[in-house]
Order: sequence, then structure tokens, then C-alpha cells
Amino acid sequence: DTGVSQDPRHKITKRGQNVTFRCDPISEHNRLYWYRQTLGQGPEFLTYFQNEAQLEKSRLLSDRFSAERPKGSFSTLEIQRTEQGDSAMYLCASSSLDATDTQYFGPGTRLTVL
Amino acid sequence: SQKIEQNSEALNIQEGKTATLTCNYTNYSPAYLQWYRQDPGRGPVFLLLIRENEKEKRKERLKVTFDTTLKQSLFHITASQPADSATYLCALPGGARQLTFGSGTQLTVLP
Repeated sequence: DTGVSQDPRHKITKRGQNVTFRCDPISEHNRLYWYRQTLGQGPEFLTYFQNEAQLEKSRLLSDRFSAERPKGSFSTLEIQRTEQGDSAMYLCASSSLDATDTQYFGPGTRLTVL
Repeated sequence: SQKIEQNSEALNIQEGKTATLTCNYTNYSPAYLQWYRQDPGRGPVFLLLIRENEKEKRKERLKVTFDTTLKQSLFHITASQPADSATYLCALPGGARQLTFGSGTQLTVLP
């Protein structure tokens, strides 16, 4: 399967702990995106990479959040000092360098902060 | 930034009927609009893209219209089936490269 993969699929953590999620995009895609989705809402943009460069970050991305894409392939999203409000589905998507930004999503990582 | 409104209520229809979902947006007219399907616990799946100069786009039982004057897109599923039950998301370009999504419409097709 050459789709977008994410790991882990589920993560339960205690408030104050750090968590890290991984995303492996479709191999030929240059662009990679992170979104967050809560129940009953659409995905909300967090950040975007083109190759290894992080080109845009949402105001939703507080200082406790950091994302990397060190070699322009997989990406990690780290949340430090997790809060209960961080509980959500974290979605990764990738796209090729075309003008329409059709994005291919992974299955998501469901984070529960107790 | 764009504000997107989709059918606020869940939509229940009988199998075989046509489902029509609405996406309204404010502010600037986008160069294109996309529709995605999302099943519970899974990521969204791209269905269709329609550009601002296209009035209508079809793919199998799916049809999308785009009215830039009304700032509205309609998404139709003809001859609906229970397997079409899912949440359908409308998305517009939201900035440099990201998408801004509506909150989705939950469609249930009853057998």
C-alpha cells in the first residue's frame, strides 16, 4: 500500500506528558500537511511543509507544538506538556506539486489526554 | 479567511433517492472547491474538484455544481446506496497551500 501512513493510530497519555506522532507521506509527494480534527468538526490546518521546509504554521499551533520533516520524507509532530484540550484526531496529508492542492490523508492518530 | 457552512443537520434519505448536500462560503471566491468523504475513525478521502470556471462536474453517481455568484456548491449523489453513508466535507483553499474545511454533513442512506 503506497498511501499515507501514520503511527501510532491511538495514543492515550496523561496531562503534562510529551507525545510524538509520525507521518509517512506518499513517496513522490513534496508537500506534507498536519491537521487537527475534533468531533463534529472538519479538519483544521496546523502546519505545512514543502520538502523539508516548514512554510506555514497556523495560529492554532502553540509553542508546545513542533513539527519537523528532516529529510523531506517522513514528518513528526510533537506536543509537549499535553493538555486535555489537545485531545483530538491528528491527521497528516500529502500532495504533489500541482496547483489544486488535492490532498491525500492518512488514517490519523487519535490522541486522548487524561 | 473563508468561512464555510455546510448543511447543519444530518441528512437521512431513502436508498435509491438523490442526496443533495450544500456548501456555502463567504469572502473571496476560490479558484476551486473540493469535496471529500470521511468515514468514522478514518481520514478524509478526496472525491471531486471543481474549478471556478466550471459550472458542473460529474464522476459516476456524483455531481458537483459551483455557483460563484451565490458562493455555493451543491454535491449530489444519485441512486444513493447505504454504502454512501458517511460525512461529506467541502474544502476551499485557505491560504498558501492548506485547505479550509467545512464541518461536514453526515449522510445516512436508509435501506
